Amino acid sequence: QVQLQESGPGLVKPSQTLSLTCSVSGVSISSPDYYWSWIRQSPGKGLEWIGYVFYSGSTAYNPSLKSRLSISLATARNQFSLRLTSVTAADTAVYYCAREATEIRNFAQESYFDHWGQGKMVTVSS
Amino acid sequence: EIVLTQSPDTLSLSAGERATLSCRASQSVSSSNLAWYQQKPGQPPRALVYGASSRATGIPDRFSGSGSGTDFTLTISRLEPEDSAVYYCQQYSSSPTEYTFGQGTRLEIK
Repeated sequence: QVQLQESGPGLVKPSQTLSLTCSVSGVSISSPDYYWSWIRQSPGKGLEWIGYVFYSGSTAYNPSLKSRLSISLATARNQFSLRLTSVTAADTAVYYCAREATEIRNFAQESYFDHWGQGKMVTVSS
Repeated sequence: EIVLTQSPDTLSLSAGERATLSCRASQSVSSSNLAWYQQKPGQPPRALVYGASSRATGIPDRFSGSGSGTDFTLTISRLEPEDSAVYYCQQYSSSPTEYTFGQGTRLEIK
């Protein structure tokens, strides 16, 4: 079955770079049927979409994070990664990777996040 | 940015009752791109409904979604103790690409 698993440091110092990897099993990230997203959840801001990468390598980012953000694929390892630079305490959150599935119904494309990782708590603190 | 506002913030009901959760968008949302999720403590969100009214795989028919435009509803009939969780609505829009979540409704089963 499809599984996603986040990995990376749980503590990052302010002004440094947060790097996380999502390892995917049960499906190829090279499939054109899915988008691969990062989503975070903090007590103060709830659930926040960070960005996605498509099998082609194309990306879309949350405008509020775009200047500090990079999401990329590592297709040989069936992984995708997140880099967020110049972090502050406001970036402290649980970070989830998730698969977005799409379906055509009544000539319209429907999409939703159908599989999620368990989440990685990242704290920004000196 | 499309803002999703959920109501009520907290809902306390008894097992066997019906729950009605509301999600209101600050501007019209395509029904195709409105989803609902359930989240229990220490777990990631789980998809319940997508396309405003289609149940995700493995979701019992006690869960149903409806609505269009700016007003959407998740209904849970015949509440069970395991339905105690926080429920989120989420929308996707393009041009520019944007995904937003509501702030959540906490459902407590008495």
